[in-house]
Amino acid sequence: DAKTTQPNSMESNEEEPVHLPCNHSTISGTDYIHWYRQLPSQGPEYVIHGLTSNVNNRMASLAIAEDRKSSTLILHRATLRDAAVYYCILRVNSGGSNYKLTFGKGTLLTVNP
Amino acid sequence: NAGVMQNPRHLVRRRGQEARLRCSPMKGHSHVYWYRQLPEEGLKFMVYLQKENIIDESGMPKERFSAEFPKEGPSILRIQQVVRGDSAAYFCASSPQLGTDTQYFGPGTRLTVL
Repeated sequence: DAKTTQPNSMESNEEEPVHLPCNHSTISGTDYIHWYRQLPSQGPEYVIHGLTSNVNNRMASLAIAEDRKSSTLILHRATLRDAAVYYCILRVNSGGSNYKLTFGKGTLLTVNP
Repeated sequence: NAGVMQNPRHLVRRRGQEARLRCSPMKGHSHVYWYRQLPEEGLKFMVYLQKENIIDESGMPKERFSAEFPKEGPSILRIQQVVRGDSAAYFCASSPQLGTDTQYFGPGTRLTVL
């Protein structure tokens, strides 16, 4: 699967926006960009995904660079409950219905009160 | 609508025993994935199953590990003759039959091998 690069850790203050970057320079034209997060002692949780256009949902926004070689997950107002490991994953289009995810080490987000 | 359920949440086994981990997907989901998370590491894909079929087991260790997803009942991940290195958190995820590749994860089973 195509590889992503994320900072190991980031810090934010409560109620401030957070921008989590992800580089994926080897992305191909049909690969989707997915973000999941894992809160302490829990299973991963889907956050958002996109292909080319920026995406918004109730949890976050995803900004995708024009060349698609990087993307940024935006949490508009961080809360203490957003403290988690955030994973940026390329969902490679290998055909069929197999959507297995390849997790990297992710970014550990710390939110300060 | 209940989420993905896994049991037990915690499982302790002695070396050489068998471990059985169960996963009940969300209602209406017919695709199940198993992942393993070793301490201080990211999740690694193990196996992808549909009802009564193993579609991709490229992440499964060659020996001692097996998985099934019968027509009725939960998906089972079975580890025979456990060793200390099998200690990890095992997560299953499910997704609907068609139309989306979003995966919904369970809370995991934390296996400790003494």
